[in-house]
Amino acid sequence: AQSVTQLDSQVPVFEEAPVELRCNYSSSVSVYLFWYVQYPNQGLQLLLKYLSGSTLVKGINGFEAEFNKSQTSFHLRKPSVHISDTAEYFCAVSSSYGNKLVFGAGTILRVKS
Amino acid sequence: AAGVIQSPRHLIKEKRETATLKCYPIPRHDTVYWYQQGPGQDPQFLISFYEKMQSDKGSIPDRFSAQQFSDYHSELNMSSLELGDSALYFCASSPQTGTDPGNTIYFGEGSWLTVV
Repeated sequence: AQSVTQLDSQVPVFEEAPVELRCNYSSSVSVYLFWYVQYPNQGLQLLLKYLSGSTLVKGINGFEAEFNKSQTSFHLRKPSVHISDTAEYFCAVSSSYGNKLVFGAGTILRVKS
Repeated sequence: AAGVIQSPRHLIKEKRETATLKCYPIPRHDTVYWYQQGPGQDPQFLISFYEKMQSDKGSIPDRFSAQQFSDYHSELNMSSLELGDSALYFCASSPQTGTDPGNTIYFGEGSWLTVV
């Protein structure tokens, strides 16, 4: 079974500051890792994904994440956030032998001016 | 690009009533998933279908049922509704045919169900 832990329920940050949203996973098999963003009252939008290969993956809206197998982490980063990045961010994992996504509890990113 | 289409977007039902949610996957996606997201919660996997057969089952109550039809659209039927069923219900789809090796799952906008 897989599980995902998002260590921060809320992250407040000032506009143009860097941000890191933390995600750790556990799995007994190889995994695929994803970050989804959910804006208020909207659906889930894929930000980026790690399948294999380079451990640094770049996504939309200037976000990137680094897969660290030894630390079982997949932290999301952005060097300079905007007000429009205010949303809830979900880390998710799926097994290479199954398809369903297991989500973390989510991290609310609040960008302040 | 075409996305996952869900209907209705909003639904209000009374306790003990029945509700049906519909999902139209992205063209050429043959796998459909249903997720339930309660207020302030993360999405919880309910059930999935591949080629019209149930492929996986999560925390779906016995009062709920779902199916995938020949055109790959799916319906989630919920009976004897309870207040706790109020949630955002996501449908998602993915291709299983190797065109997307990570089986990336694409979500619809969700259907808001309110049980009063």
